[in-house]
Amino acid sequence: EVQLVESGGGLVQPGGSLRLSCAASGFTFSSYWMSWVRQAPGKGLEWVANIKQDGSEKYYVDSVKGRFTISRDNAKNSLYLQMNSLRAEDTAVYYCARDVQLWSAFDYWGQGTLVTVSS
Amino acid sequence: QSALTQPASVSGSPGQSITISCTGTSSDVGGYNYVSWYQQHPGKAPKLMIYDVSNRPSGVSNRFSGSKSGNTASLTISGLQAEDEADYYCSSYTSSSTLPYVFGTGTKVTVL
Repeated sequence: EVQLVESGGGLVQPGGSLRLSCAASGFTFSSYWMSWVRQAPGKGLEWVANIKQDGSEKYYVDSVKGRFTISRDNAKNSLYLQMNSLRAEDTAVYYCARDVQLWSAFDYWGQGTLVTVSS
Repeated sequence: QSALTQPASVSGSPGQSITISCTGTSSDVGGYNYVSWYQQHPGKAPKLMIYDVSNRPSGVSNRFSGSKSGNTASLTISGLQAEDEADYYCSSYTSSSTLPYVFGTGTKVTVL
């Protein structure tokens, strides 16, 4: 059974940093593109970033470029999102998701982890 | 680049069919066959219902079907059931370098 379990969310002050983790199991993690998707409270979905199977390619939505870094450790079956210079508008539930293939769709999602940026 | 346009709400009675539209441009929905649809119940993670315009993942009911015409994609739910009441989001790849993947505004489906 495919499972994605996020962790690392919490309350952080504006300008602060947070590192999200996603533990994957039930599939060959190193064979898939992986993504982070977020959802602000009461709002719609927003794709944030994705990373190629070997980590050699990464893409980001403009609003997080230079502040967020996506990475992965295939030996640990884990996906990460390092978030720096956090802003109030980054407040959201962050989901880890498996890509069907690059830019196609996301076929498995984690339960999400809430990030709240507030003073 | 902004979100794809969906109706805020669609409703129907049990057993009826409903269709949710997703309107974009030739730079996203109209230009690529990378349109997908997600179902999200309150407090839950999204679930993939349709990918690549009209493909259904294993385990998804055949009451759900997808199509596309020009810059507008559609999700049809036939034989509407109470459990179908949820939010639905479309998504598409885009040619934009600043936002290469965009979701729709979301549609609340209500079963009357």
